[in-house]
Amino acid sequence: GDSVTQMEGPVTLSEEAFLTINCTYTATGYPSLFWYVQYPGEGLQLLLKATKADDKGSNKGFEATYRKETTSFHLEKGSVQVSDSAVYFCALSSLAGRRALTFGSGTRLQVQP
Amino acid sequence: EAGVAQSPRYKIIEKRQSVAFWCNPISGHATLYWYQQILGQGPKLLIQFQNNGVVDDSQLPKDRFSAERLKGVDSTLKIQPAKLEDSAVYLCASSRTLEAFFGQGTRLTVV
Repeated sequence: GDSVTQMEGPVTLSEEAFLTINCTYTATGYPSLFWYVQYPGEGLQLLLKATKADDKGSNKGFEATYRKETTSFHLEKGSVQVSDSAVYFCALSSLAGRRALTFGSGTRLQVQP
Repeated sequence: EAGVAQSPRYKIIEKRQSVAFWCNPISGHATLYWYQQILGQGPKLLIQFQNNGVVDDSQLPKDRFSAERLKGVDSTLKIQPAKLEDSAVYLCASSRTLEAFFGQGTRLTVV
């Protein structure tokens, strides 16, 4: 079945540092890939998505590229801010899974001033 | 556009009691999902509806959990009887196309 593996946290960075959160997936066919973010006290929000190989999703300075050859969708940001502190979830959606999301376990990011 | 509404936000019950959660999806969204998110884990699908029909309930513990979506709009998720391991956040989401929109969830504590 479908599965998503992402790096464990917490990840602690200083403001303006470079961020990478690794995500790899297992799925049949060609899934769509997502990063969701959960800020403290808030619900899950879509951060970015990519629907086919080599697509790059981007939003709020975050980027992730759909790499089919390595089955990866790593999240990156060049310069993090304190306001980026949150839990980040990598997820996939596939036809085999009837388009429901399969999530990774989440990575908590803490950015210190 | 109004988001996905869920209630209650918090619920504390004793084991073996019953509890119900309510979800109002975004207007026009045919697909509705219920997820269970245990502390420190990612959300896991419990049940998926398309309009008022069940698409996937393979991961729903049917001996104690039930869900319905009357008239293809609102949905309720019920647990009866609750166990300690049911303590989690229950998330409702809806979608019209690819992107799913989530409610704020109901945090259930079973004591």
